[in-house]
Amino acid sequence: GQQLNQSPQSMFIQEGEDVSMNCTSSSIFNTWLWYKQDPGEGPVLLIALYKAGELTSNGRLTAQFGITRKDSFLNISASIPSDVGIYFCAGPGSGNTPLVFGKGTRLSVIA
Amino acid sequence: DVKVTQSSRYLVKRTGEKVFLECVQDMDHENMFWYRQDPGLGLRLIYFSYDVKMKEKGDIPEGYSVSREKKERFSLILESASTNQTSMYLCASGYLAGVADTQYFGPGTRLTVL
Repeated sequence: GQQLNQSPQSMFIQEGEDVSMNCTSSSIFNTWLWYKQDPGEGPVLLIALYKAGELTSNGRLTAQFGITRKDSFLNISASIPSDVGIYFCAGPGSGNTPLVFGKGTRLSVIA
Repeated sequence: DVKVTQSSRYLVKRTGEKVFLECVQDMDHENMFWYRQDPGLGLRLIYFSYDVKMKEKGDIPEGYSVSREKKERFSLILESASTNQTSMYLCASGYLAGVADTQYFGPGTRLTVL
């Protein structure tokens, strides 16, 4: 089945810095989803991408659907302390797994 | 905004107890899901449902059952709780966009089984 590799696994950055993370799949995807999970909470959908090459923004967040359709990127500009959390990518699964998730990128912001 | 609510944020139960976790969504979504999340293992799908009274096994259904009597409500049942079921349980609802479910999650229930 599909596997998602998300990198980096964790990041420590200074407040105000820009952040980049990515996700690659072992097969071609038609959809990429990006979620953020705050400590002790459920994941929140940030951005959904449905077309190769698509670039979508949500405030300081920008996500891109890679043209190879096997990767996606999430960028956060001018990070702030509330950006702390775990960021997950997700895409279509197969069989008894409708959606497959990456293992997450844990972001820490140092004020 | 999509609203997915879960009946409890924290729950402590004893080994052997029957446990009910309730999930309600208000967006008229067809699809609902139950996951558990454990450190180092990520999100693992337990059961899902694409319609009322319908259920499908996910990756780790053993020790769990589900019930979907109404479209907006999806219940997860631990028939006889065990300590290895201590975990964060997440409910989601969603709709099919393209070929993937766009899922929205509830706040989670942290279950401890003693």
